[in-house]
Amino acid sequence: DQQVKQNSPSLSVQEGRISILNCDYTNSMFDYFLWYKKYPAEGPTFLISISSIKDKNEDGRFTVFLNKSAKHLSLHIVPSQPGDSAVYFCAASANSGGSNYKLTFGKGTLLTVNP
Amino acid sequence: EPEVTQTPSHQVTQMGQEVILRCVPISNHLYFYWYRQILGQKVEFLVSFYNNEISEKSEIFDDQFSVERPDGSNFTLKIRSTKLEDSAMYFCASSEQPNEKLFFGSGTQLSVL
Repeated sequence: DQQVKQNSPSLSVQEGRISILNCDYTNSMFDYFLWYKKYPAEGPTFLISISSIKDKNEDGRFTVFLNKSAKHLSLHIVPSQPGDSAVYFCAASANSGGSNYKLTFGKGTLLTVNP
Repeated sequence: EPEVTQTPSHQVTQMGQEVILRCVPISNHLYFYWYRQILGQKVEFLVSFYNNEISEKSEIFDDQFSVERPDGSNFTLKIRSTKLEDSAMYFCASSEQPNEKLFFGSGTQLSVL
């Protein structure tokens, strides 16, 4: 049961352009969403998060957008840099009820930023 | 920046043997977690731990698994009798608040032969 879906296994963009990574979820109890980046042989690294009371959160080159009615979120990276090349995971939790100690991850999207 | 430390980085064991995976969470964090990732699959939640007890566990975390915080710094995952399907990368994580900004270790690659 894929409660968090990242339908694009890979994405390739040119350096300096925008990268848009998408994530859909099915569990309406989810109210907190996070994006993690993972390099090979390393653990996931926290990037940015958003609570369901917001529809946008920005941190430097990274912006996360949340569309609750569509149960969709996206991560925008602009401008993209070669060092951004990694696997990006979307994750969600139900902090206000239900499983509030558990993150549910998507399968990840491999982003490649070409110089 | 403070980090979560996991040892060993690789562990090879025979089926049926016990393994203990070790983690040192970030010192001021109160919530601790184990996740795993089987090759080619998504990162899966195993267990969360707070105030010296399990807060939540997944269906994967059966009687073969246990966690312990034996002292003020270490957090361990024990698999009592390993199976082939336990082969995975095991990640420890910690956070100040539940499910907010988890910091992950680099993982222990467990191979069960």
